[in-house]
Formats: sequence, C-alpha cells, structure tokens
Amino acid sequence: DTEVTQTPKHLVMGMTNKKSLKCEQHMGHRAMYWYKQKAKKPPELMFVYSYEKLSINESVPSRFSPECPNSSLLNLHLHALQPEDSALYLCASSQLVGTGGGGGYTFGSGTRLTVV
Amino acid sequence: GQQLNQSPQSMFIQEGEDVSMNCTSSSIFNTWLWYKQDPGEGPVLLIALYKAGELTSNGRLTAQFGITRKDSFLNISASIPSDVGIYFCAGPGSGGYQKVTFGTGTKLQVIP
Repeated sequence: DTEVTQTPKHLVMGMTNKKSLKCEQHMGHRAMYWYKQKAKKPPELMFVYSYEKLSINESVPSRFSPECPNSSLLNLHLHALQPEDSALYLCASSQLVGTGGGGGYTFGSGTRLTVV
Repeated sequence: GQQLNQSPQSMFIQEGEDVSMNCTSSSIFNTWLWYKQDPGEGPVLLIALYKAGELTSNGRLTAQFGITRKDSFLNISASIPSDVGIYFCAGPGSGGYQKVTFGTGTKLQVIP
C-alpha cells in the first residue's frame, strides 16, 4: 500500500462547528504532516509528527488541533474556524531520514474545506 | 524565512514542445524535490536530487541540481496533454527534512 488516504474529500462547516479531518497511511512511515494550501499558492506546513509526537508546530492558531493516535493515523480537529481558513488541507507522510537523502513526501488527495 | 522562486509563473505550450522551468533559492539546499499537482489532488513526487550537478531523468522529465546549490531545473520533453498541472520545486532548508519548503509553482497548460 503506497497511498495516503484522507477523509472526507470535501467538508463544509459553520464557524461554530467542530469537525475532524482524518489521514491514514500503511507504508510504515514514521513522520506525518499537515499542510494547508490556498488557491494558486504552494502548500504551507502546519504540523509535523515524528514517531507519533508533535515535533513542529508552525505557529498555527489553536482552533486547529492535531492528534496522532498511532503510527498510521493523523487527525486534525477543527473548532471555531473562520472563513479565511477555507483551503485544501493536505496530509503527507515520509520515512524519517537523517542526512544524505530526503526521499520526498507522499501526499494524500486532500480535504477541500469551506468555512461558512 | 527561506524562499523558493519559480519561473515562469505560468506557461502555455503546444503539444509536442519541450518545456523548461527553474527554481531559485535564497539559501543553499542539499536536496531538491520536484512535484506535480493536478487540480483537486495532492502533489506527487516526480524527481529527487541529492548532489550538486546531479542530472536525473524520469521518463520524459529531466531535472538538474544546480552547481551553486541554490537552483534547480526541470525539463519536460515532447509535452502531452496530461502534463498539465502545477509543478513545484521543494527542498528541506535549515529546518531539515521534516520542514520542506515549496516553491511558488509553475502552472503548465498544454494546447492539443
């Protein structure tokens, strides 16, 4: 299995709602990532999990709350979002590597989030 | 922070033509990654480069790691309609492999 699976593909939520995005991989990757991508822009890193522990938070507002229940799953809990949070949310995973090679990330297809 | 600037920003080409695009960085990179993103999908890794001067091919795609380590180039030969999409360069900067930065993207449109 060489895929990263994200659900749902589309989500519309109100500003007072609580929702969660889910991401799953079975490649044995021990690093997982959340990226946010606005239209016509590159993906921007939000969070990195390494061995199920949060290792990087790129100063993301607390209305976004990540969770890594095990090495295959990554969630992003959403609460009290704003319309400007509407974007494509991408999950990715990678082997953990040191120097000498990156290997790149495997991305999911993303969740298209619209906040109304 | 680190910036990766890609040029051109967008391009229209005729099917069968060759395409060249580049990516420049404000700082040195030890790895260059090239991704393609189709509409409504996540980016897909095309080529990874690990050494200055390295030239790597993947089918009709060829990418080069610039010798200054501040730039990289992607060429597509004999373009076809399915080459349409946004091409991103990316690389791990000072934050290491867990903190990959993406370039500004080159949008490619192929006219059949």
